[in-house]
Amino acid sequence: QQQVKQSPQSLIVQKGGISIINCAYENTAFDYFPWYQQFPGKGPALLIAIRPDVSEKKEGRFTISFNKSAKQFSLHIMDSQPGDSATYFCAASTYTGNQFYFGTGTSLTVIP
Amino acid sequence: DAGVIQSPRHEVTEMGQEVTLRCKPISGHNSLFWYRQTMMRGLELLIYFNNNVPIDDSGMPEDRFSAKMPNASFSTLKIQPSEPRDSAVYFCASSLVGYRNEQFFGPGTRLTVL
Repeated sequence: QQQVKQSPQSLIVQKGGISIINCAYENTAFDYFPWYQQFPGKGPALLIAIRPDVSEKKEGRFTISFNKSAKQFSLHIMDSQPGDSATYFCAASTYTGNQFYFGTGTSLTVIP
Repeated sequence: DAGVIQSPRHEVTEMGQEVTLRCKPISGHNSLFWYRQTMMRGLELLIYFNNNVPIDDSGMPEDRFSAKMPNASFSTLKIQPSEPRDSAVYFCASSLVGYRNEQFFGPGTRLTVL
């Protein structure tokens, strides 16, 4: 059973547009939500992460929005660039351990 | 640091053969994770170790899969016998034991079972 549900599976955005990837979870014990970015032929790498005590975290063009009551969180990429083309994974972990539960991934293509 | 090292990077084998994937975690890290990535199922955790001890192997698909971590700097994932449905990219990741610690992924091993 997928503990973290991610959508869409793929996304095509024009350069300069906003890319939005959504994730949802059920386990209320989750309290840490990282996003990983994976370029072709490479392993995933941490992009940005959020704790549930804040509703938003921004790092440059990347923003995580978090809705604790709805048990949803999303990644927004502002001013999307062709270099952002990659696969993005959301994840969640509980306060009791270091295992991450990953979403199924979103393949983002930014068209010049 | 060289990062997480995996070998081989590519492996092509025939159905029924034994396959061994290798991983060297980042020095000083004491958690190690094995993941499998496919288009259909995304990134699946197979097993993870803390301080060389297997903590959760519930993601291992079946008895054909086994993993060992004989010391802090080396781990193997073995598939015996291999089947075409095992074809995937296998990633190893390492981190420090503890809450919210970043996992660092290796470059992966692309396995093709004919």
